Parts: sequence; structure tokens; C-alpha cells
Amino acid sequence: EVQLVESGGGLVQPGRSLRLSCTASGFTFGDYAMSWVRQAPGKGLEWVGFIRSKAYGGTTEYAASVKGRFTISRDDSKSIAYLQMNSLKTEDTAVYYCTKIFGGSSGYSDYWGQGTLVTVSS
Amino acid sequence: SYELTQPPSVSVSPGQTARITCSGDALPKKYAYWYQQKSGQAPVLVIYEDSKRPSGIPERFSGSSSGTMATLTISGAQVEDEADYYCYSTDSSGNHRGVFGGGTKLTVL
Repeated sequence: EVQLVESGGGLVQPGRSLRLSCTASGFTFGDYAMSWVRQAPGKGLEWVGFIRSKAYGGTTEYAASVKGRFTISRDDSKSIAYLQMNSLKTEDTAVYYCTKIFGGSSGYSDYWGQGTLVTVSS
Repeated sequence: SYELTQPPSVSVSPGQTARITCSGDALPKKYAYWYQQKSGQAPVLVIYEDSKRPSGIPERFSGSSSGTMATLTISGAQVEDEADYYCYSTDSSGNHRGVFGGGTKLTVL
């Protein structure tokens, strides 16, 4: 059974940093791309970015709203994906979901974690 | 930036057919995907590659795409289908950046 568990959320001040983790199980983590999607309170889903599998270079793509501030990485030996968030803004407040992508280079999210809440406030 | 447009809300009575649309300029070249999100829960994939249904999704859920519009159809909608529905696709940049529609609140009552 595929499981994705996000951790690392919490309250952080504007301008500070936070790192989210996504611990995966139930599939061969290194074979798949992984993505992050967020949802501000009462709002819709927003695609944040994804990281390809090492077989496809482990490269990343980001939404314009986070490019240059957020970094996605992965540790295949631990089956963990990370979302490093720097220079946080109040508008980054959201539930952050980790998702498994159907494929190694790109594709759609076929499994989702339950999400972790990030609140950016002074 | 690329956008997918959905109606904010759709309302049907139980047993009726609900149709939710999603329009985007790249849809003639890119697949559409549909996610169901019930209150307080993570999204669940209900349609992939325009019209395919994952295992475990009821047959009343179907999808189609023509030109710049994709459609999610729920034939004989049930009360338990009440949820937010999001379409998803990628832009035409070649980098596979994703985009979600704004979401449609389906009310079944």
C-alpha cells in the first residue's frame, strides 16, 4: 500500500525558512517523480513543483510563485522528498501535500499524502 | 501563465447527471485529469488521461475531452459525490509544469 506522510509544518514568521519532509513507503521510491501541491485555507489547489527521478536527471520544475524561493530535493536511500521553503511570505500559508507522480519524468499525481499545515505569520 | 477555467459551482438532484467543464488552450495537446476532494480530505484521482477511470472509482464517473474543453460527467450523481472537483493538466512549455483549475463545488441535493 502506497503511503505518503508529510511532516515539518508549523508556524513560522515572514522571511524565515522551513523544510517539509515527505516519507514514502509501499513503492520503489527512486523510480518515480514526486511533487508538492498546496492549498491555502478555503482556496483551491495550487501546483508547487516536482522533482524527476534520478533516471531522468533528478531535475526540478517550479511554479512561478515559488521559483527562486522553494527547492525540492530527494533522498532515495531514505525514500524521502523535501520541500525547502525560504523567504516565506504570508501568502505561502497553506496545507502542503506531497504526491507521487505516475512516472519517472513527469505525469499526474496518483497518490497524495494527508498534508501538513504551514502558517506564515508574525 | 497558463490557466484552466472551471465553473465555481454545479448543483444537481440525486440521480441526475452532473457535468463539470474545464477549459484551457493547451487541452487539444495535453491530457486532462480530474480530482475529487471531500471536505477535510486529500484529493483523490477520479479520471486520468481525459477518460480513463482508476480502479475503485465507480463507473458513474466518466471523462471526455474535445478541443479546448474537458468534461467530467457523473451519471446518476449520489449524495456521497458532493465534493470539490479540480481539473489538472500541464502547460505547453515542454517542461511539464502543472496547473489546476479553480475547482467546482458539486452540490447534490
